[in-house]
Amino acid sequence: AQSVTQPDIHITVSEGASLELRCNYSYGATPYLFWYVQSPGQGLQLLLKYFSGDTLVQGIKGFEAEFKRSQSSFNLRKPSVHWSDAAEYFCAVGSYNQAGTALIFGKGTTLSVSS
Amino acid sequence: ETGVTQSPTHLIKTRGQQVTLRCSSQSGHNTVSWYQQALGQGPQFIFQYYREEENGRGNFPPRFSGLQFPNYSSELNVNALELDDSALYLCASSREGMNTEAFFGQGTRLTVV
Repeated sequence: AQSVTQPDIHITVSEGASLELRCNYSYGATPYLFWYVQSPGQGLQLLLKYFSGDTLVQGIKGFEAEFKRSQSSFNLRKPSVHWSDAAEYFCAVGSYNQAGTALIFGKGTTLSVSS
Repeated sequence: ETGVTQSPTHLIKTRGQQVTLRCSSQSGHNTVSWYQQALGQGPQFIFQYYREEENGRGNFPPRFSGLQFPNYSSELNVNALELDDSALYLCASSREGMNTEAFFGQGTRLTVV
């Protein structure tokens, strides 16, 4: 069965420090992988996605993620965190059919940024 | 280009009642998916609509049903509400086909008392 695990429920990072959020997936075929961010009371915004090709993908707001098939991982990174990055982060794997994508999400990681 | 809009933003219902949530998809998008996000959890896929028909369903009982209209807007209906149905309900729209991005609405916060 397809699944996504985000091992860290809550992470606190100092402003300006680097960030890595972990994501592990279970999927039978080549996965389509996503990272979304959700601010309180808001919907989900796509940060980046991996479909194929280069395993290091760049996203918005200075985020990047690396797909590692051997480790079934798709970790999200940012070299320098800003206070505005505090939010909930979700990793997802997508299953595709002709109609489009159905996403399976992890439980999320809450990021707090300290000054 | 308008984004995905959902209505209402909040509502409170009593256990056993029925509720209808609405979603207008982004211009040019013909696929709509619905997700349930319980407090402190990730969104869970309920079902997807494409060409006015259900096209995939997650692990939700039949009392969760939906519709898609010719203009690609969609409704989510939940009958016989239970306390555990309290959640944020998210709608996402996308174009059909591979490698398409899903755009999410702001959600409807449903509270069942």
